[in-house]
Amino acid sequence: KNEVEQSPQNLTAQEGEFITINCSYSVGISALHWLQQHPGGGIVSLFMLSSGKKKHGRLIATINIQEKHSSLHITASHPRDSAVYICAVHRNGGSQGNLIFGKGTKLSVKP
Amino acid sequence: DAGVIQSPRHEVTEMGQEVTLRCKPISGHDYLFWYRQTMMRGLELLIYFNNNVPIDDSGMPEDRFSAKMPNASFSTLKIQPSEPRDSAVYFCASSLVLAGRTGELFFGEGSRLTVL
Repeated sequence: KNEVEQSPQNLTAQEGEFITINCSYSVGISALHWLQQHPGGGIVSLFMLSSGKKKHGRLIATINIQEKHSSLHITASHPRDSAVYICAVHRNGGSQGNLIFGKGTKLSVKP
Repeated sequence: DAGVIQSPRHEVTEMGQEVTLRCKPISGHDYLFWYRQTMMRGLELLIYFNNNVPIDDSGMPEDRFSAKMPNASFSTLKIQPSEPRDSAVYFCASSLVLAGRTGELFFGEGSRLTVL
């Protein structure tokens, strides 16, 4: 079983819909990252969080450390949000720089 | 700052040839990471440096892979000899330390390697 699991693997939405992508992990962590990989391949860091909630524009990330779960929400989705969203965690006790990555969620937003 | 710069963007080579991938991190960042991305395994850490010193190379697949960081502004990842199973996208990323751990990651555009 992977230490970081994302769901769903693939998601198709209509423009304007509210979207939720989930990330569950099985190890103790010190922080969690959400990354966005564009269709062209570039990767952008969206959030790094260790507790609570962060918001940036239409994106909201939440984390529940006790439940070992994080969600990424997109409000008023737009076709330009189409990308692969990747969850990654810093494991407690692991080397500082070693992230464990989920397999990603491929989001397609139709106009 | 121009961001993390990688070269080449694309490389096609034949099995057995040497491949060198290059990375210029964001100025002032003290962590540099090399990742490999494949369809089967997703993103995997190969090696990372802190202040030019290799800290964790446990992800380097085998002795055919080597990485260096001769100074704060340049790193290389070398594969010699290359094999078809090395075909992947190789990403370089840099970061500042934040509260005792790496902070936000800044990725380069990646180097897509195809070994025939």
